[in-house]
Amino acid sequence: AQKITQTQPGMFVQEKEAVTLDCTYDTSDQSYGLFWYKQPSSGEMIFLIYQGSYDEQNATEGRYSLNFQKARKSANLVISASQLGDSAMYFCAMREASGTYKYIFGTGTRLKVLA
Amino acid sequence: DGGITQSPKYLFRKEGQNVTLSCEQNLNHDAMYWYRQDPGQGLRLIYYSQIVNDFQKGDIAEGYSVSREKKESFPLTVTSAQKNPTAFYLCASSIGAGMKETQYFGPGTRLLVL
Repeated sequence: AQKITQTQPGMFVQEKEAVTLDCTYDTSDQSYGLFWYKQPSSGEMIFLIYQGSYDEQNATEGRYSLNFQKARKSANLVISASQLGDSAMYFCAMREASGTYKYIFGTGTRLKVLA
Repeated sequence: DGGITQSPKYLFRKEGQNVTLSCEQNLNHDAMYWYRQDPGQGLRLIYYSQIVNDFQKGDIAEGYSVSREKKESFPLTVTSAQKNPTAFYLCASSIGAGMKETQYFGPGTRLLVL
């Protein structure tokens, strides 16, 4: 069964340093998409980055990059040069090409950036 | 500006009462979704709709109902059959329902039981 696992309930990082948020997934599909969202305390989910299972290059969006290791079924989010505004919950999600059109979300990682 | 709006921001429900959460989008997206978020948990899908006048149950549809009479609107009714409705409700939309389609979310409605 498809599943997303985020094993870090909380993380701290010093301002201006890089941080990696872990995400592992389980699927039997060959074709799937992986997404990362940021949820500030206001509650809105903000899309950060997407990686397709057939994409050969790791996805990057500004300070966000996705370390995609297909054989290990991991899709870790790397945030470079952390800023105070990066403090939030971060969710990893997966969508399979087959089956229903839903996302499966992990339980999230709470990131706190320290000044 | 294009986006997704949800109202109200906070909603209080009395025992035995049905309440309706509003979700409107002006992104011209075909697909719309409702999620429930409980503390310490990820999002769980309640209902989704790929086109007007069509919708499907998600993982936790019991005690909820929806309608999709217009492309822009996807209201969610929390019925009295939902015994534990206190949660944060998020509406989302996407251009289509393909694997690559990014879902964009509204600001959410927090439902509390009196």
